[in-house]
Amino acid sequence: DIQMTQSPSSLSASVGDRVTITCRASQSIRTFVNWYQQKPGKAPQLLIYLASNFQSGVPSRFSGSGSGTDFTLTISSLQPEDFATYFCQQALSPPWTFGQGTKIEI
Amino acid sequence: QVQLQESGPGLVKPSQTLSLTCTVSGGAISSADYSWNWIRQYPGKGPEWIGYIYFRGTTYYNPSLESRVVMSVDTSKNQFSLNLNSVTAADTAMYYCVREVRSSARGWFDPWGQGTLVVVSS
Repeated sequence: DIQMTQSPSSLSASVGDRVTITCRASQSIRTFVNWYQQKPGKAPQLLIYLASNFQSGVPSRFSGSGSGTDFTLTISSLQPEDFATYFCQQALSPPWTFGQGTKIEI
Repeated sequence: QVQLQESGPGLVKPSQTLSLTCTVSGGAISSADYSWNWIRQYPGKGPEWIGYIYFRGTTYYNPSLESRVVMSVDTSKNQFSLNLNSVTAADTAMYYCVREVRSSARGWFDPWGQGTLVVVSS
């Protein structure tokens, strides 16, 4: 199985901060990574697919980049509604696997 | 707008079978552009993919669960189902049904059902 490792596991930030989350795959997954946001008590929601493509309705302050084994999710200016947990997921080969999550806290 | 809704018992006894159904509304389940997935999540952990089924019945299960999982699809009801047998307390988790959008042999999960908590306990 392809392992997905996120860092950090959690971080404290303030409204307006620029935040970067990283995800490392255990082998090259080209650009086949998806990012999800999960708020407490809710299901995850797709943010970005295939490394850098925005899901409809996702604010432009979110961006994704990377290829091979290293990927980043960046929030350019953190908003109150962005305090949540974020997961990466590899889409190269099944079984599809997720990172352990990065929780953004105030 | 497609929506998914899980249904099934919230409490299952050890060694019994966990059975969940997902009802798809707002779109047809009969499309080769989508696979229909079950994903579970333990509190504070990343999601764990259980497996998928296509509308024609093709399945693929996570090897870690393959020996205990059976998925089925009922296109007439726009539903798909999960059976996980011989459950233990380790199967206590939030279970989600999820559509995978497929494009050029790659995919992403969207949307997700709201999830249903299944507790395995006597």
